[in-house]
Amino acid sequence: GAGVSQSPRYKVAKRGQDVALRCDPISGHVSLFWYQQALGQGPEFLTYFQNEAQLDKSGLPSDRFFAERPEGSVSTLKIQRTQQEDSAVYLCASSSLAGGEDTQYFGPGTRLTVL
Amino acid sequence: GDSVTQMEGPVTLSEEAFLTINCTYTATGYPSLFWYVQYPGEGLQLLLKATKADDKGSNKGFEATYRKETTSFHLEKGSVQVSDSAVYFCALITNRDDKIIFGKGTRLHILP
Repeated sequence: GAGVSQSPRYKVAKRGQDVALRCDPISGHVSLFWYQQALGQGPEFLTYFQNEAQLDKSGLPSDRFFAERPEGSVSTLKIQRTQQEDSAVYLCASSSLAGGEDTQYFGPGTRLTVL
Repeated sequence: GDSVTQMEGPVTLSEEAFLTINCTYTATGYPSLFWYVQYPGEGLQLLLKATKADDKGSNKGFEATYRKETTSFHLEKGSVQVSDSAVYFCALITNRDDKIIFGKGTRLHILP
């Protein structure tokens, strides 16, 4: 398919476990974004990559959150020592140009539940 | 800081009714404005957008006009269908930033 894909679609973790969430952007897209969507809320920005460079990580809620995009395509969001408040849907989006004003295309999200 | 406020849901209408979902924003500078839609079981999709004052975005019978004087971007549709049932998010992005700022979303339920 030509869209943004994310895996896994669902993840259940015990409190304290580490998790890794994967995003495959649309091929050739320069920009990649991660958002966190709590239940009943709108998505909130976490971090932004332009190719392999992480240009903005101002939305990461704590140092337990880490994201990478080493080759400028696939990205991984890692959460260490998960807490219950990390339970949310994690959305990935990509856009073809640098910066944020180009249309961002969203993946289906990964629903993380921390018990 | 920059923010988006939209009417709380759920909104329940009968098929063929007129729809308005209110959205106002606070932003420095001149943001671009968006409506995104999230259908059940699907990812967020861009519904329409407007990049400058007085622009009208439209798609699938939905319209929204960028009103700088009232800092609003209300979503309207003249005759809704059951298939329009979804969660609608108003959003903005500023020209000095790279992230989309979303409202909390409005769940729309259309009865046949």
